[in-house]
Amino acid sequence: DVKVTQSSRYLVKRTGEKVFLECVQDMDHENMFWYRQDPGLGLRLIYFSYDVKMKEKGDIPEGYSVSREKKERFSLILESASTNQTSMYLCASSLGQGDGYNEQFFGPGTRLTVL
Amino acid sequence: AQSVTQLGSHVSVSEGALVLLRCNYSSSVPPYLFWYVQYPNQGLQLLLKYTSAATLVKGINGFEAEFKKSETSFHLTKPSAHMSDAAEYFCAGHRPVGGATNKLIFGTGTLLAVQP
Repeated sequence: DVKVTQSSRYLVKRTGEKVFLECVQDMDHENMFWYRQDPGLGLRLIYFSYDVKMKEKGDIPEGYSVSREKKERFSLILESASTNQTSMYLCASSLGQGDGYNEQFFGPGTRLTVL
Repeated sequence: AQSVTQLGSHVSVSEGALVLLRCNYSSSVPPYLFWYVQYPNQGLQLLLKYTSAATLVKGINGFEAEFKKSETSFHLTKPSAHMSDAAEYFCAGHRPVGGATNKLIFGTGTLLAVQP
């Protein structure tokens, strides 16, 4: 059974803290993605990675950074957490080859609250 | 700009009634389109995808969607709703960008309620 796992289901942090969200996939996928999900806004892409140590900004990268040192692991970093980063964070992965028809597989999400 | 639009943020149906969730896309290239379902406190799960092989696509749990190029639509249907179908549904389209593949653009979601 293919799996994308995220390190925490719920996380509460304080303003200014550095926050790490971890994602691991066991499908040997090349692509990995980080989204945030907010009511009425759907999913918005923060960053994605198409190979180890390769990354590209998505639509809302401000305030975030990422790290991909190993193929199976993709980390999202909030350098200095702020209250407007309170959200549901979803990690996903997909095969790299193909012309866009490969679906993305999602983790269960991390609900982050910044106080 | 490419976009995916879901009409209706909330849809309520009675158990046993037809489910129709609407999705329209705008794109200048042949699209790959997806429907995902999200149950409470879970990640997204693929229901079905359109990859130009057939315009009527069947997915899991009795759902299907029809790609209509003339209407730029990819509406999701199920003949008879079940209580377990209550969830949020997202339509997504492939967003081709030079170089990297498999980026998706998501609609804002439709929350389906099923009344007994």
